[in-house]
Amino acid sequence: DTGVSQDPRHKITKRGQNVTFRCDPISEHNRLYWYRQTLGQGPEFLTYFQNEAQLEKSRLLSDRFSAERPKGSFSTLEIQRTEQGDSAMYLCASSSLGLNTEAFFGQGTRLTVV
Amino acid sequence: AQKVTQAQTEISVVEKEDVTLDCVYETRDTTYYLFWYKQPPSGELVFLIRRNSFDEQNEISGRYSWNFQKSTSSFNFTITASQVVDSAVYFCALSEAGTGGFKTIFGAGTRLFVKA
Repeated sequence: DTGVSQDPRHKITKRGQNVTFRCDPISEHNRLYWYRQTLGQGPEFLTYFQNEAQLEKSRLLSDRFSAERPKGSFSTLEIQRTEQGDSAMYLCASSSLGLNTEAFFGQGTRLTVV
Repeated sequence: AQKVTQAQTEISVVEKEDVTLDCVYETRDTTYYLFWYKQPPSGELVFLIRRNSFDEQNEISGRYSWNFQKSTSSFNFTITASQVVDSAVYFCALSEAGTGGFKTIFGAGTRLFVKA
C-alpha cells in the first residue's frame, strides 16, 4: 500500500496526558499537512511542511501542540497536557509540489480525551 | 479571506435519483483551486476532482459531474442515478494561489444518504 498511513488509528487518553501521532506520507511527496476534524465539520488546517521545514502554522495550533518532520519523510504531531476539547480526528495529508496538486489523505487518528 | 459554504447539511435520496450538492466559495485571489472530496464511513478523504479558476469547463466523470460558475462563485456536484455506495460526507474545498496553494479550506460538508 503506497497511500498515506497514520498511527495509531484510535487513541483514548486521560486529560493531562501527552499523546503523539505519526504520519507516513506518500514517499515521493514533498508536502505534508496536518488537519483536525471535529464531528460534523470539515477538516481544519493545522500546519504544513515542505520537506523538513514547517512553513505554516494555524492559530488553532496552541503552544501545547508541536509537529515535526525531522528528515522530510514521516511526521509526528504531539499534544501535551491534553484537554477534552482536543478530542477530534487528526488527519494527515501529503502532496507533490505545485500550485494545483491535490492532497492525499490518510485515514486519520481519532483522539478521545476522557 | 477564503471561505467555503455548503448550505446543505444532509440530503436523503432514494437509489437511482439524481442529486446535486451545492458549494459556494469566497476568495479575493484571481487564481485559486477548487476541490471535491468524499469521506466514506471509514474516515479517509478521497479526492474526486480539482478545478483551477481559469477553467470553467464543466466536467463529467461517469455518474459524477461538476458545474463551475465563477459568476456565482459556485462549484456544484451532481451524482446521476445515485447508488447506496455513494452514501458519504462530501466536502468542497478551496485553495488560494496567494497562500502557495497549500492551505486548503474545507466546507462543513454535506452528508448524503442513499436509500435502497
